Amino acid sequence: NAGVTQTPKFRVLKTGQSMTLLCAQDMNHEYMYWYRQDPGMGLRLIHYSVGEGTTAKGEVPDGYNVSRLKKQNFLLGLESAAPSQTSVYFCASNSYGGLDYEQYFGPGTRLTVT
Amino acid sequence: ELKVEQNPLFLSMQEGKNYTIYCNYSTTSDRLYWYRQDPGKSLESLFVLLSNGAVKQEGRLMASLDTKARLSTLHITAAVHDLSATYFCAVEGSSGYALNFGKGTSLLVTP
Repeated sequence: NAGVTQTPKFRVLKTGQSMTLLCAQDMNHEYMYWYRQDPGMGLRLIHYSVGEGTTAKGEVPDGYNVSRLKKQNFLLGLESAAPSQTSVYFCASNSYGGLDYEQYFGPGTRLTVT
Repeated sequence: ELKVEQNPLFLSMQEGKNYTIYCNYSTTSDRLYWYRQDPGKSLESLFVLLSNGAVKQEGRLMASLDTKARLSTLHITAAVHDLSATYFCAVEGSSGYALNFGKGTSLLVTP
């Protein structure tokens, strides 16, 4: 099992450019999440999905869009990047029920917007 | 709005000493999580605390949960340099079991 993978690992964008971050999980998890981590802020929820074809806003959704067309993939899009979106982005997934309450995190994508 | 507060945010301690990190949260939550993060790395799960009075231990780390006080502690026993990292607590909110994180405690263990 690869667990949760993220593509790309690093990216530098210019202000106004767009990009998509891909998150993939091979654990058949229903729930997937995108968080951002800024220095001294902990992780904050951007968007989440409770199943294929569903998405919802989290704490800091502005400037981002998401899609979950396949159960194993959760995409995060930046339509017009801004310097304030410079951050480390983490994807996570989990299932629910049974004995596994773990939330599994990907390795992160470090994004710089200049 | 669910708030999670950790203290201290920075902790420098000598090897061999004991210390406790505190995590307070503002509303009822079923589960509390502790993570470790090394610089430039992802989050590593340490403990998942599922109920009031839960206590879990792994090596020099022990975590406990008091849901009535909305308080969790992470106790470090006889610290060693390898424990230097940032430690986060997190609780489940209302967004599909997404986690609300504290700001993290940056721990430095010195000789």
